[in-house]
Amino acid sequence: GQQLNQSPQSMFIQEGEDVSMNCTSSSIFNTWLWYKQDPGEGPVLLIALYKAGELTSNGRLTAQFGITRKDSFLNISASIPSDVGIYFCAGQRYNNNDMRFGAGTRLTVKP
Amino acid sequence: DGGITQSPKYLFRKEGQNVTLSCEQNLNHDAMYWYRQDPGQGLRLIYYSQIVNDFQKGDIAEGYSVSREKKESFPLTVTSAQKNPTAFYLCASSEDRGNQPQHFGDGTRLSIL
Repeated sequence: GQQLNQSPQSMFIQEGEDVSMNCTSSSIFNTWLWYKQDPGEGPVLLIALYKAGELTSNGRLTAQFGITRKDSFLNISASIPSDVGIYFCAGQRYNNNDMRFGAGTRLTVKP
Repeated sequence: DGGITQSPKYLFRKEGQNVTLSCEQNLNHDAMYWYRQDPGQGLRLIYYSQIVNDFQKGDIAEGYSVSREKKESFPLTVTSAQKNPTAFYLCASSEDRGNQPQHFGDGTRLSIL
């Protein structure tokens, strides 16, 4: 099945900087999800978006569900060292089992 | 604590051997899933189950088998027919209503001896 196009693949930033990453698809999704994965662990859900145009925050994280329903972005403000990890987007179409994933954005934060 | 438990954390397979990865959840979720993760790729769905005693193939089911005899358990067997089994395997579960997000276990890393 088609996966999502996630960019950038990796980012190297200085502590305190803001970060932005996005996910696009040629298909429409009903739900967009953002997960973070630390090395050797499973992905942890950060933000879930259910409506086109929805903008949701979770602490320093903000995510938006694109108005076309084909894209989403995640912003992290004032990055800190523990933000290091791989961030994945995921889109769900009609059913819970019909979920597609981006290849991930690997974030490195330099103190 | 409620959650999803995968075991073992690391597993080694010999040539021609079947191995079984365990996944247990105490979240009372109806739906459970198995994904394979390879470096630089998104997660790919192997099998999923929406109810006890029923499961469906995902995108890459060949060389794998599952069972769902209990609501809380969804073991994955990597058979000898799977020629490239080295990967990180993730189990997930979700409520089976609407677009409920999936929650993941901490994974099992499978390597070939």
